[in-house]
Amino acid sequence: EPEVTQTPSHQVTQMGQEVILRCVPISNHLYFYWYRQILGQKVEFLVSFYNNEISEKSEIFDDQFSVERPDGSNFTLKIRSTKLEDSAMYFCASTYTSYEQYFGPGTRLTVT
Amino acid sequence: KNEVEQSPQNLTAQEGEFITINCSYSVGISALHWLQQHPGGGIVSLFMLSSGKKKHGRLIATINIQEKHSSLHITASHPRDSAVYICAVLNFGNEKLTFGTGTRLTIIP
Repeated sequence: EPEVTQTPSHQVTQMGQEVILRCVPISNHLYFYWYRQILGQKVEFLVSFYNNEISEKSEIFDDQFSVERPDGSNFTLKIRSTKLEDSAMYFCASTYTSYEQYFGPGTRLTVT
Repeated sequence: KNEVEQSPQNLTAQEGEFITINCSYSVGISALHWLQQHPGGGIVSLFMLSSGKKKHGRLIATINIQEKHSSLHITASHPRDSAVYICAVLNFGNEKLTFGTGTRLTIIP
């Protein structure tokens, strides 16, 4: 069964460094999403992406964040200058119809 | 803004018991997801509902659109069902999911 994959599974970085989190959505899907979950809190929407552009973003998704689909298979989330409060689990999701979303296993980002 | 509430927050039960987890939301939606999150953190989609009832194995999900309420039932619960169960709603007119805080289920052998 096709699945969403994410790399790396765990990333440790120093405050102020740039990180890129990678996702490979299911191949025929058209809508892509990033969510994050700070430890002990609920999952929060960050951004949705369709037709090579951002379709919706939350107030969390400020200028420090960017998304890209560089080659038709990968979907990346870049954080330009990480802060301690960016430490969280980041989930990628994709869907064909913008209804049922399929989630990746997540990347745990630790900022020290 | 849609407020999504789940109850209970924590549930411990004996193996074999029938489990019910509830989710209510404040604003009409186009669809509702039930998700399972294992201790390692990964999220698995269990159901997506927009009306009625769905069944998959020992799991049953129902939704009442008029009452803005959904339930997830687990029959003949098993220790491997221990996980956090999360309700997430898709609002009309936008694409983002709004998540509940989750219900932590522990099934004791």
